[in-house]
Amino acid sequence: SAVISQKPSRDICQRGTSLTIQCQVDSQVTMMFWYRQQPGQSLTLIATANQGSEATYESGFVIDKFPISRPNLTFSTLTVSNMSPEDSSIYLCSAKPPGLVKGEQFFGPGTRLTVL
Amino acid sequence: AQSVTQPDIHITVSEGASLELRCNYSYGATPYLFWYVQSPGQGLQLLLKYFSGDTLVQGIKGFEAEFKRSQSSFNLRKPSVHWSDAAEYFCAVGASSGNTGKLIFGQGTTLQVKP
Repeated sequence: SAVISQKPSRDICQRGTSLTIQCQVDSQVTMMFWYRQQPGQSLTLIATANQGSEATYESGFVIDKFPISRPNLTFSTLTVSNMSPEDSSIYLCSAKPPGLVKGEQFFGPGTRLTVL
Repeated sequence: AQSVTQPDIHITVSEGASLELRCNYSYGATPYLFWYVQSPGQGLQLLLKYFSGDTLVQGIKGFEAEFKRSQSSFNLRKPSVHWSDAAEYFCAVGASSGNTGKLIFGQGTTLQVKP
């Protein structure tokens, strides 16, 4: 298993500003992911955070809006840039430790973002 | 393309009653299927998974799910619901393309438990 922590747990931000969310895993993992959960909605994958290379973004998400870093096998950050109220969501980090089946992931507690 | 459908957006059951949450998937090969639970203000916790073998899988908290290939379903069941089971339940399928490890989630089912 893997224990995942996220910081901050929640934040209220002003329109036009940026917020960086940190994700820390207690063990080395092969893959890390970032999801968005809009109010009352399901989870949508934003991108796969690749260690040592650029993240792989899903359709509808771009690097300029959601820059991602993954400097090592246990840590990643997601920045939500130039925020608008439509970015108000829960952002979740997940990780796939070695040995798990394809798709199996552990999730962090999420960061609840409100943009005014 | 892969997809997951949870037909029931909201379900209410009485405490002690049985529960079944429906999940249908669209997938070209043998799917990797998961059920996650999200309690209010919490992250997602894996309840159970299926990727091969016995089509009836047991999970945590007394939950089980049955994979039925002929019906493209992976319904979640519990024989007796507890008030603490009130939460959001998500069915998910592991995406098939390459070795991405991506998950595709259903819309979720909100479970309310009546005393």
